[in-house]
Amino acid sequence: QVQLQESGPGLVKASETLSLTCTVSGGSINNYYWNWIRQPPGKGLEWVGYIYHSGTTNYNPSFKSRVAMSVDTSKNQFSLKLTSVTAADTAVYYCAKDESGSGYSGMDVWGQGTTVTVSS
Amino acid sequence: SYELTQPPSVSVALGQTARINCDGKDLGHKNVHWYQQKPGQAPVLVIYRDSNRPSGIPERFSGFELGNTATLTISRVQAGDEAVFYCQVWDSTVVFGGGTKLTVL
Repeated sequence: QVQLQESGPGLVKASETLSLTCTVSGGSINNYYWNWIRQPPGKGLEWVGYIYHSGTTNYNPSFKSRVAMSVDTSKNQFSLKLTSVTAADTAVYYCAKDESGSGYSGMDVWGQGTTVTVSS
Repeated sequence: SYELTQPPSVSVALGQTARINCDGKDLGHKNVHWYQQKPGQAPVLVIYRDSNRPSGIPERFSGFELGNTATLTISRVQAGDEAVFYCQVWDSTVVFGGGTKLTVL
């Protein structure tokens, strides 16, 4: 059974870069789409983007050029970088697995989430 | 950009049937997925591709789609079903509905 665990700093200063890693255990990172989703306090879910094991990415246009994702198949990890953060980027960040990159399957495994607070 | 509309809240008496709608243009041509999120927890996939239940999800959860509306139905509602439910589709990117808070009376 695949499990996901997010890790990274819980506090980031405004204008700096948010960096998170998701570690995949209990299965291979290959052949799946790995998503980042965030949830601001008291609000709904917002998709940030996904990365395929080959490195192919698809980002939410709302994040324009601020987002970058990478994958390290040797470590079974994938990562998120979000630059020039503001208080609006304060949220719980989740990683999640999807068997499809075109909405066929739904995200069937989620990490527990990690809270990131942007401080001024 | 594509939008999914959900009612902010739905209330249902214990043991009755809850129905949560999700509206979107041409929704019938898309695969709709539903997630349940309890307070302080990560979302859980409860219905995928309109009407399919993942392993471990009770048969009380079912999904249906007709026209521009997808519906999540929860039969014989239990107190433990209280949560926020999100619908989700793919429209060149992942799109989530705003979420519906289910209250069990």
